[in-house]
Amino acid sequence: NFMLTQPHSVSESPGKTVTISCTRSSGSIASNYVQWYQQRPGSAPTTVIYEDNQRPSGVPDRFSGSIDSSSNSASLTISGLKTEDEADYYCQSYDSSNAVFGGGTQLTVL
Amino acid sequence: EVQLVESGGGVVQPGGSLRLSCAASGFTFDDYAMHWVRQAPGKGLEWVSLISGDGGSTYYADSVKGRFTISRDNSKNSLYLQMNSLRTEDTALYYCAKTIRVVPAVFVGIDYWGQGTLVTVSS
Repeated sequence: NFMLTQPHSVSESPGKTVTISCTRSSGSIASNYVQWYQQRPGSAPTTVIYEDNQRPSGVPDRFSGSIDSSSNSASLTISGLKTEDEADYYCQSYDSSNAVFGGGTQLTVL
Repeated sequence: EVQLVESGGGVVQPGGSLRLSCAASGFTFDDYAMHWVRQAPGKGLEWVSLISGDGGSTYYADSVKGRFTISRDNSKNSLYLQMNSLRTEDTALYYCAKTIRVVPAVFVGIDYWGQGTLVTVSS
């Protein structure tokens, strides 16, 4: 099985742009789609990006996803930060028979 | 509107058993694979298990393999997780979650999550 490694925390000011990385330990990041989930305190997760870069309906286009094969990583970028974006963010992908979540990144908007 | 409502959580002693249920509505249940994902108190998300839309294929995290069994009853729009030989480290909020693509897709993203049911394993 592989692991997905995320920074423990990031912080940025309102209106700015932040990028959260997710590095796959083995196997190609491009071999299986990457998803990103947002979890606000006390709430269930919600999906903000699926299949590397697709946004579910209702997710603002301030949220974008990408993958970089050279670094074997995926990224979630949030532009025009709002205080409501403050949450934990988790990346997730698969191998042949397992789903794997990253450890999560706590985003502080201050 | 898609709804996923988990139930069946509670307090159980180590070595005990519990059966979780997830009632689904608002979509054609048997068109989608379904997950169980858990979150220990103050910790991150951990994938537990996945089942295909027809129930014919099941997958488990190594941490629960041989102890947990995922199943579904498509006639009742319900997902289940039978948990045996429970350990203190199984203490968590258990979420059921719907995959985003119709069958035969299995290893695809999640688009809807329930609110979770809490399982506490303690003597």
